[in-house]
Formats: sequence, C-alpha cells, structure tokens
Amino acid sequence: DQQVKQNSPSLSVQEGRISILNCDYTNSMFDYFLWYKKYPAEGPTFLISISSIKDKNEDGRFTVFLNKSAKHLSLHIVPSQPGDSAVYFCAVYPYSGGYQKVTFGTGTKLQVIP
Amino acid sequence: EAGVTQFPSHSVIEKGQTVTLRCDPISGHDNLYWYRRVMGKEIKFLLHFVKESKQDESGMPNNRFLAERTGGTYSTLKVQPAELEDSGVYFCASSQLDGRSTDTQYFGPGTRLTVL
Repeated sequence: DQQVKQNSPSLSVQEGRISILNCDYTNSMFDYFLWYKKYPAEGPTFLISISSIKDKNEDGRFTVFLNKSAKHLSLHIVPSQPGDSAVYFCAVYPYSGGYQKVTFGTGTKLQVIP
Repeated sequence: EAGVTQFPSHSVIEKGQTVTLRCDPISGHDNLYWYRRVMGKEIKFLLHFVKESKQDESGMPNNRFLAERTGGTYSTLKVQPAELEDSGVYFCASSQLDGRSTDTQYFGPGTRLTVL
C-alpha cells in the first residue's frame, strides 16, 4: 500500500526550460513534505521542504507547491540546468515531536538536455 | 565536517550467509535512521535510534534483521541469514536532536547488498 506516489518514472527537459515533478499522497495526516535529490552512487540530499500550513515555498530556482485538497505536491525547477539531472524523491512525514518517520516515493529520474 | 559514512559500499553474499552493515553518523547527531531501497522502488524506513535506544523499528522486515547502536555512536545492521529478497541499497541517515520536526536528515552513500 503505497502512501506516496510518483507516477512519472522519468522526465526529459531541455536546458533552460521548466522542469515539473509531481507527487501524490494518500494520508491527510502528513504535516511536512520534502523533496530529495539523488545522484548515482550517492545518498539522497535534502533539497526543499514545505509544511502543511503553506501552499508554496521558494528557494532560488526551486519552488515546491502543495495542494492539500488534492493531496498533491509538485517541484518546479526554473531554469533547468544539466547539473539538475538526478533522481528526485518526494517524501512526507507527520509531526511527531522531534523525529521524522519519512515515507518516500519511488522517484522520478530527471534528465536535463544541454 | 565529515558526512555520514557507510561501510562497505557494496557486499555480495550467498543466500544463507550473514552480513553486517555499518553506519557512522555525523558527529553529534543523536538521531540515526536506517532505510532500504529495493531495485526501482521507494526508499523504505526500517528503524530509528535516538542515541543508543531504538525509538521505532516498525519498518524492520522480520527477525532476520538486527540493528544495534552501542554507545550511541555508530550503528550496525546485521542480516542473518540473508535471503534473495534482502538485496537492495541500505541507506543510513542522521539528524540532530533539537526537538524540532524540521531537522534535516543527512544520508550516507548507501551499501548495495546483493544476495545470490
């Protein structure tokens, strides 16, 4: 029973254009939503997060949008760069007073074409 | 500052053998997590330590898996006896214990376990 779904296993985008990665979750009790980025042979690296009380969070070229009614999360990368080519994991967790039991999606492999 | 390290990077064993994975968290991080990713699937939570205490081991697949964190520093994850379905990449992550739910988890590079 997968609680976090990333339905697109891969995405190709031209350099300079916008990359949009999507994620759907099933449990409305989740409080925090994150995106992790993973290069081959490395562990996931935290990219950006948003709490359930917000609907948008920006950090440079990266913006995360949260639609709680649709239980949908998206990551926008503008402009996309070749170095952004990686696997992106959507992740969620409920508030639990100091630790994070994180549930991850299956990942979307982004390829940015120069 | 050194990041989270894991050893070995890759282990190939036969079904029925024993393997022990090691994780060294970032110095000073009291939270330590183990995760596993089976080929192409999601990264799944296995368990969580606060210092040397197991806080949540609800993700451990079965009693063939044993995690320890003696002294609250490094952690080991032993699989005994290993089965084919145990193959995957095992990640360790650590974070500070500040009582905030937003503390970032820092991941190690993972150990790729192949059971033949």
